[in-house]
Order: sequence, then C-alpha cells, then structure tokens
Amino acid sequence: GESVGLHLPTLSVQEGDNSIINCAYSNSASDYFIWYKQESGKGPQFIIDIRSNMDKRQGQRVTVLLNKTVKHLSLQIAATQPGDSAVYFCAEIGGFKTIFGAGTRLFVKA
Amino acid sequence: GAGVSQSPSNKVTEKGKDVELRCDPISGHTALYWYRQRLGQGLEFLIYFQGNSAPDKSGLPSDRFSAERTGESVSTLTIQRTQQEDSAVYLCASSLVFATEQNIQYFGAGTRLSVL
Repeated sequence: GESVGLHLPTLSVQEGDNSIINCAYSNSASDYFIWYKQESGKGPQFIIDIRSNMDKRQGQRVTVLLNKTVKHLSLQIAATQPGDSAVYFCAEIGGFKTIFGAGTRLFVKA
Repeated sequence: GAGVSQSPSNKVTEKGKDVELRCDPISGHTALYWYRQRLGQGLEFLIYFQGNSAPDKSGLPSDRFSAERTGESVSTLTIQRTQQEDSAVYLCASSLVFATEQNIQYFGAGTRLSVL
C-alpha cells in the first residue's frame, strides 16, 4: 500500500553476505513490479522489474522473486557491497496506477 | 535532457510564504509525477500528469497545493501559505508513457523544502 507516515524498517548485513528485502503488495490485479534503489540525497533509481507472468528474474547480482499466491515480492542482492547501502522501494503497477511500498533501509557493515 | 531536472535543489522559506518548485522531465516523456518524501519515510504520491492533463488530484494534501504542466514538458508544483509540516523533499519523476507495462519512472534528485 501507499507509505504515508511510516518510518522505514532497516536491514543490516555484513559486507559479502547476501541480502533479502521483502515487500508485500496490495493489489492482486497488479501485473508489473519494479524495485527502486534510493541513495542518500538522490531520487529513486530503477534496479530490476518483473511481470506477473514470471516468478523469478535475475540481473547482475540482483534477483527478484514474485509469489502471486501470497502477494509477496522480494529482492535478493548477492555478495552485498558498501555501495548497496540505500533505501529500497518496491512498486506495483496495475490499472494505470503505481503504488510504492514503504521502503526498507539497507545498511552494509564493513 | 539527459535526466529529470528539478529546481531549486534546496529552498528555505518562511511560514506563510508561497513557493514554486520546478520539474523538467526527460524529453519525450508524456507522463509526469510528483511525490513528497518526509525525512526517513517513504514516497507519498501527490499528482500525475498525462500530457498536460492531471486526471487525479486527490493526492494533493490540501487546497494550498496545486500543480500545472505546459507544453507536455515543464511542470511546476506550487505551495501557497507554506506551513512547517510542508517541510520535505519533493520528488518529480517522468515516464515514457502512462501505461501498466514498462512504466519505469525516472526520478529527479528532488527539491528539499524547509519551512521555518
């Protein structure tokens, strides 16, 4: 759902470990999903997308998993690096509407 | 341009004054969006434009907020009689089209508004 008035949950991982960021989406009719990364002082940037007819899509060091049964989306980052420290947002698109998730702050410990 | 450009990058104003925030979308992008992001929080949708039209203004927080877009290009977000709770980063994004598939939004760096 829309993220209004919520403080961001935080995930802290050790450099080199894998990170998993989760997102529960709200609309079962949503047919396209995007993960965005927002670094400090910048606007969100596109990372990876997935269509509803897929359950997995891989990019460079990132994998998105979609479980439509439970309306769950996850972003997996392999071998997390300090440069991955940011806020990550999922977005669901359907019916000409985009809804951003609340966001998760990822801290990478050296 | 190469990306979405917003100006000013920072704006400090006194309570009660009006402010105008500007967004230059990526050339050729027909859809444009405004969001508000309070410190440490997520994105709050304000309004979107398809061309120069804004079909849904229900996200605007109050009647002090208004937005317009001209020439299917530049957009301005105006906040009248600013209040301290208006302090936030205002983000603009544009996308090639406003459609369910492949609606990737490209964001500007935002305008950080501080109301004293």
